[in-house]
Amino acid sequence: DADVTQTPRNRITKTGKRIMLECSQTKGHDRMYWYRQDPGLGLRLIYYSFDVKDINKGEISDGYSVSRQAQAKFSLSLESAIPNQTALYFCATKKSGYYGYTFGSGTRLTVV
Amino acid sequence: GESVGLHLPTLSVQEGDNSIINCAYSNSASDYFIWYKQESGKGPQFIIDIRSNMDKRQGQRVTVLLNKTVKHLSLQIAATQPGDSAVYFCAENIVSNFGNEKLTFGTGTRLTIIP
Repeated sequence: DADVTQTPRNRITKTGKRIMLECSQTKGHDRMYWYRQDPGLGLRLIYYSFDVKDINKGEISDGYSVSRQAQAKFSLSLESAIPNQTALYFCATKKSGYYGYTFGSGTRLTVV
Repeated sequence: GESVGLHLPTLSVQEGDNSIINCAYSNSASDYFIWYKQESGKGPQFIIDIRSNMDKRQGQRVTVLLNKTVKHLSLQIAATQPGDSAVYFCAENIVSNFGNEKLTFGTGTRLTIIP
């Protein structure tokens, strides 16, 4: 099993729908991150969390919300999806005090 | 061949030649830098990293150089192979005074190996 698992892998949804992307990890890492990638661009940080009760906005948080339900789970929600949120979404984890991030395989989201 | 990552997003290199991909980073508080390789439709794949107290680190066929004076990072790939064709991103780990840390990515450079 993958250390960082993202579900679903692919999703097509309609404009205005609420959608949740899930990330779970077996690494025991305390820090979790959600990134978005648009074609031809680098990854941009949406939200990040350093522990269950800690949530921080990244550079492009508008239109998104997150929930850190447990140390191992970090979900990203689009309350009302719009077409320009069509992108690849990546979850990443890190253990504080150590070097190295672990990335999930990504979720390809298409909003029509 | 040489590329300044943010200004020349594509680089073509003959198979077997060496390639150099450059990256300018922005934050003096960055303590750690990583190079990632990304193939189409896949997640970032770790290549090599370097801590801010180092200026050079070597891996298998790859070398990363860090120049903190000018905030510049480079990735050298020796004896390039067709499988090296991908987009390469540099990323800096920015640490705040409160211990917050986050990874910020550069725009990326597309490397194409010509057979």
